[in-house]
Amino acid sequence: QITLKESGPTLVKPTQTLTLTCTFSGFSLSSSGVGVGWIRQPPGEALEWLALIYWNDERRYSPSLKSRLTITKDTSKNQVVLTMTNMDPVDTATYYCAHYCTSTSCYRRAFDYWGQGTLVTVSS
Amino acid sequence: QSALTQPPSASGSPGQSVTISCTGTSSDVGGYNYVSWYQQHPGKAPKLMIYEVSKRPSGVPDRFSGSKSGNTASLTVSGLQAEDEADYYCSSYTGSNTVFGGGTKLTVL
Repeated sequence: QITLKESGPTLVKPTQTLTLTCTFSGFSLSSSGVGVGWIRQPPGEALEWLALIYWNDERRYSPSLKSRLTITKDTSKNQVVLTMTNMDPVDTATYYCAHYCTSTSCYRRAFDYWGQGTLVTVSS
Repeated sequence: QSALTQPPSASGSPGQSVTISCTGTSSDVGGYNYVSWYQQHPGKAPKLMIYEVSKRPSGVPDRFSGSKSGNTASLTVSGLQAEDEADYYCSSYTGSNTVFGGGTKLTVL
């Protein structure tokens, strides 16, 4: 059974750096084809893809946010960490992490398991 | 990369069929058979409903189907039920990244 859970601060101040952790179980991020992505959703708005890290440490970022994002993994802890610098009130959103897979034995190139999400508010 | 274009709203009566479109470009929807659709109820995480344009994950009713023509993908919900009322998002692989649509609110009248 695959599960993911996001954790981190619920409130950050403008210009601060946000650090979110995704702790997962039921799969290994060292298995070929596996990835974990981050997606956010401002209140009442659409989903926005942020970043993805693969089993081989390959990383992909949203072009519009690339300069502010860093995604890393700790395979031994079953965790993926996303950092976002220079936070602004427009970054207020629910942040989700999700399981992703590229192999033929899974739901290819889709986010098939999601965490419950964590609401991050940016305010002074 | 720009967000994929979806109609803001769609509606249908119970038992009817409704189709939601998702328009991209040759760099995303038109270029790859990796379009997925997600259902999101208020306050809940998204749920994968369709992957690889037209495939259904285990447990998703066959009332949900997907297709693609050129740069436009579509999600069809047949035999509408009250529980189908939700927001629906399309997504596409772009060759290196992922892009989502703006979402469609489906109302069951």
